[in-house]
Amino acid sequence: RKEVEQDPGPFNVPEGATVAFNCTYSNSASQSFFWYRQDCRKEPKLLMSVYSSGNEDGRFTAQLNRASQYISLLIRDSKLSDSATYLCVVTLSGGYQKVTFGIGTKLQVIP
Amino acid sequence: DAGVTQSPTHLIKTRGQHVTLRCSPISGHKSVSWYQQVLGQGPQFIFQYYEKEERGRGNFPDRFSARQFPNYSSELNVNALLLGDSALYLCASSLSGVTDGNTIYFGEGSWLTVV
Repeated sequence: RKEVEQDPGPFNVPEGATVAFNCTYSNSASQSFFWYRQDCRKEPKLLMSVYSSGNEDGRFTAQLNRASQYISLLIRDSKLSDSATYLCVVTLSGGYQKVTFGIGTKLQVIP
Repeated sequence: DAGVTQSPTHLIKTRGQHVTLRCSPISGHKSVSWYQQVLGQGPQFIFQYYEKEERGRGNFPDRFSARQFPNYSSELNVNALLLGDSALYLCASSLSGVTDGNTIYFGEGSWLTVV
């Protein structure tokens, strides 16, 4: 089983739609969770951290479910500019911060 | 403030050659990590350095090596290049890298093509 699993998509959604991505992780000792956004042929950029209490940043909402070992990202009112690959990131400390990325979920927002 | 800077941005090498990639972290950041991203995959961890010491190593062959300098900049070296080493090599910096919760910031990457 992969340490971090994501559906690679692509998810093709119309402008204005709501879309949700899930990500599962295998190590229950994992400590921190993030969503990164990566545009084509660019570096990943931090979108948001993910907390058990859930957190929201404008149209984006992230949630962590430790019991089921998954994190989610919800995007409301999708914009064309949201088209990108969304990478799920899980970290674990043990002498160093071990950072594991999922394969990424590709989102294409269609006019 | 400058972000993470990497050089070169693009390079083409021949199988069997050696390559050195360079990275300067964000000012004040003491940890540098290297990742390999093959097309269609997520970044794979190669190395992490903190305070000039190797703190973590991913599942990569010994052809891959790295070091961190007193100014916290870093080099990634790859010997005996293979076609499969063609990838985007990402450098990331974080404040400490040894405690959890540190956000990591990526440079724009170095695109390596091996022919």
